[in-house]
Amino acid sequence: SQTIHQWPATLVQPVGSPLSLECTVEGTSNPNLYWYRQAAGRGLQLLFYSVGIGQISSEVPQNLSASRPQDRQFILSSKKLLLSDSGFYLCAWSVGTREQYFGPGTRLTVT
Amino acid sequence: SQQGEEDPQALSIQEGENATMNCSYKTSINNLQWYRQNSGRGLVHLILIRSNEREKHSGRLRVTLDTSKKSSSLLITASRAADTASYFCAAPYSGGGADGLTFGKGTHLIIQP
Repeated sequence: SQTIHQWPATLVQPVGSPLSLECTVEGTSNPNLYWYRQAAGRGLQLLFYSVGIGQISSEVPQNLSASRPQDRQFILSSKKLLLSDSGFYLCAWSVGTREQYFGPGTRLTVT
Repeated sequence: SQQGEEDPQALSIQEGENATMNCSYKTSINNLQWYRQNSGRGLVHLILIRSNEREKHSGRLRVTLDTSKKSSSLLITASRAADTASYFCAAPYSGGGADGLTFGKGTHLIIQP
């Protein structure tokens, strides 16, 4: 069966520090991968998606970047965090245009 | 831009009652999905309904889709305390591609024991 992992689960970082969040998927090949952010009490905002290794598309301009170094690995990064980067970050995968499966999320607090 | 918008924003009912949540979207889609999120957790996929379907069932869940009105509803029958969660509808960004989903702000459902 397929599983998706995210780490860390929680993170507290000072403004201006770098960020690296990792997401890995097991049990499937060539998945579509997604990063979403959820502000408190809000819906999800799509940040990045990837349909293959090295292929990254961004939905909104921001302080973040994403990379896909391996088929089932998706990384979200920032060189310098802003206060507004705080939120709940969710990674998801799908096959084709079907339903998406979400990881447990990373709660990021920028202080 | 945001596709799905849920209504109501919050709903509190007694255990055993039925809960109905509505979703409206803006552009043509080839499917619409519903997800559940327990507090502080990741989202769980509940059901996907395609544009050529009008109704779909999964256990105690019933989803309808009206493409002419660009709306969908999620009905949870015989609610249980464990159904307390936020429920989101989601539609594909570009109508059906692999480029992610756009979510509404969700309906926060509370089931009173």
